Amino acid sequence: GENVEQHPSTLSVQEGDSAVIKCTYSDSASNYFPWYKQELGKRPQLIIDIRSNVGEKKDQRIAVTLNKTAKHFSLHITETQPEDSAVYFCAVRRWEYGNKLVFGAGTILRVKS
Amino acid sequence: EPEVTQTPSHQVTQMGQEVILRCVPISNHLYFYWYRQILGQKVEFLVSFYNNEISEKSEIFDDQFSVERPDGSNFTLKIRSTKLEDSAMYFCASSEFIGWGARLEQYFGPGTRLTVT
Repeated sequence: GENVEQHPSTLSVQEGDSAVIKCTYSDSASNYFPWYKQELGKRPQLIIDIRSNVGEKKDQRIAVTLNKTAKHFSLHITETQPEDSAVYFCAVRRWEYGNKLVFGAGTILRVKS
Repeated sequence: EPEVTQTPSHQVTQMGQEVILRCVPISNHLYFYWYRQILGQKVEFLVSFYNNEISEKSEIFDDQFSVERPDGSNFTLKIRSTKLEDSAMYFCASSEFIGWGARLEQYFGPGTRLTVT
């Protein structure tokens, strides 16, 4: 089955700096790659996603890049703020098979002010 | 903005008891899911449900688990005989549709924390 590796497991940055989280996946047929932000005790919230026919997508301070050949995708957060502190999960989906999301292990992002 | 809702927010039960977790997906969504998250770990897929039947289930979703859409709005997860290791946060999610060109986003409910003692 699909395997998703996420790195790093924890990331501390200074407010205003950039943060990058990377995920690699195993199934080359995966075609949808969302990123979720989860604050303590809360639901995962979709923050950005990308489909396999696109290489990059940006939404204000966050962006996602996809390298299908290398089978990895990354979340980029610029000008980090304390409210960006949370756990970030990447996920992959292969829509032919039930639409399930396979999640990475998560990255704890701490933004120090 | 429409949201997925779940009840109860916290359920405490004794080992061997049956529990039913309830979800109300977003109204125009057609695909429903259950995921679980053991404390401090990643989110794991349990089951997806479309057109009144299970479309996919994981190895976690054994015979102790079942899902149902009893009416036009609710989606339930039943655990027949709970075990200690079933203690986790259970998230319901829904999405509009599947297929290329469709909106693919899955929206998660707030979760039900299940504690089995």
